[in-house]
Amino acid sequence: SAVISQKPSRDICQRGTSLTIQCQVDSQVTMMFWYRQQPGQSLTLIATANQGSEATYESGFVIDKFPISRPNLTFSTLTVSNMSPEDSSIYLCSVESGGARYEQFFGPGTRLTVL
Amino acid sequence: AQSVTQLGSHVSVSEGALVLLRCNYSSSVPPYLFWYVQYPNQGLQLLLKYTSAATLVKGINGFEAEFKKSETSFHLTKPSAHMSDAAEYFCAVSGEGNNRLAFGKGNQVVVIP
Repeated sequence: SAVISQKPSRDICQRGTSLTIQCQVDSQVTMMFWYRQQPGQSLTLIATANQGSEATYESGFVIDKFPISRPNLTFSTLTVSNMSPEDSSIYLCSVESGGARYEQFFGPGTRLTVL
Repeated sequence: AQSVTQLGSHVSVSEGALVLLRCNYSSSVPPYLFWYVQYPNQGLQLLLKYTSAATLVKGINGFEAEFKKSETSFHLTKPSAHMSDAAEYFCAVSGEGNNRLAFGKGNQVVVIP
């Protein structure tokens, strides 16, 4: 299984600012995913990030608000731009397993609070 | 598109009693089904998975789930609850040719001593 780390683990930010979340994997992976988990809610997929191509965003999420970088096969960043209190969530990255198809391994998450 | 229904956001179970968490899915293609557990302030950990092999799947920590195509279900069970099972549990589905995971709303399990 892949070992995934995220930085920061948590942050408190002011309205109108931006935060970049980093996701590092201990092995090369083709696909990385970014999810949002709002308080008391389930996980919602934000976008899928393949190395060397633009991220694919799900309905309701746009690149201007959540720009994603994927510079290599072990790293990705998600930026939450122009934050509002509604962006307070846990943001998780995941990678597709090299074993069972469609199985994903998740990072520990970044807990974001926007004041 | 795939979807998952998990009823009962909070589930209370006595220590030593059966844990039963229900998951029903919708998928237009043969599904791949997963149960994940999330302990407080942690990420998601895979409990078990169904990928079209055996319909009864055994996972970690004594959990198992049975895939029933006729009922479009993938319920999670554990014969005897332990205090350490207190966590949130998510059912997820993905389908052939679609690597997106759709998650249910989750069940918060509370274990009563």
